[in-house]
Amino acid sequence: SQTIHQWPATLVQPVGSPLSLECTVEGTSNPNLYWYRQAAGRGLQLLFYSVGIGQISSEVPQNLSASRPQDRQFILSSKKLLLSDSGFYLCAWSRGGNQPQHFGDGTRLSIL
Amino acid sequence: QQQVKQSPQSLIVQKGGIPIINCAYENTAFDYFPWYQQFPGKGPALLIAIRPDVSEKKEGRFTISFNKSAKQFSLHIMDSQPGDSATYFCAAGKGSGTYKYIFGTGTRLKVLA
Repeated sequence: SQTIHQWPATLVQPVGSPLSLECTVEGTSNPNLYWYRQAAGRGLQLLFYSVGIGQISSEVPQNLSASRPQDRQFILSSKKLLLSDSGFYLCAWSRGGNQPQHFGDGTRLSIL
Repeated sequence: QQQVKQSPQSLIVQKGGIPIINCAYENTAFDYFPWYQQFPGKGPALLIAIRPDVSEKKEGRFTISFNKSAKQFSLHIMDSQPGDSATYFCAAGKGSGTYKYIFGTGTRLKVLA
């Protein structure tokens, strides 16, 4: 069966510090990978998606970037965090096409 | 056109009641409609999904009703239990090449014992 792992589960960072959140998928190959941000009382906002190694598409201009160095690894990064980067970050995978997305348990990021 | 409108924002029912959550969309290119259940501190988990060629789908106590002409779909939870208390999200998916989902804003459900 397929599993998706995200870490860390929680993170507290000072403004201006760098960020690296990691997501890995097991049990499948060549998945589509997604990063979302979830704000309280709002839906899930798609940040980045990837259909293959090194292929990243950004949905919204922001202070974040994403990379996919390996087939089942997806990384969310920032060089300098802003207060507005606080939130709950979710990674998801799917087989592509009209197949369901499956989510990790997220990272709660707090910026001080 | 890209939005999925979800209502109500919150819902409280007694145990055994049938909460109903509604979603509406505009873009007829959407071709897959999943529902997700999310508990606090966890990621959303796929609950049930439907494609537009079907008007109803049941899985256990969960039922999706789909009205293609009205561009609406809804989730019904039969015999609701306190353990069903969670936030529920609808979504609509589309895409050729890269498939993407648009999510509703969520419904916080509380089932009273």
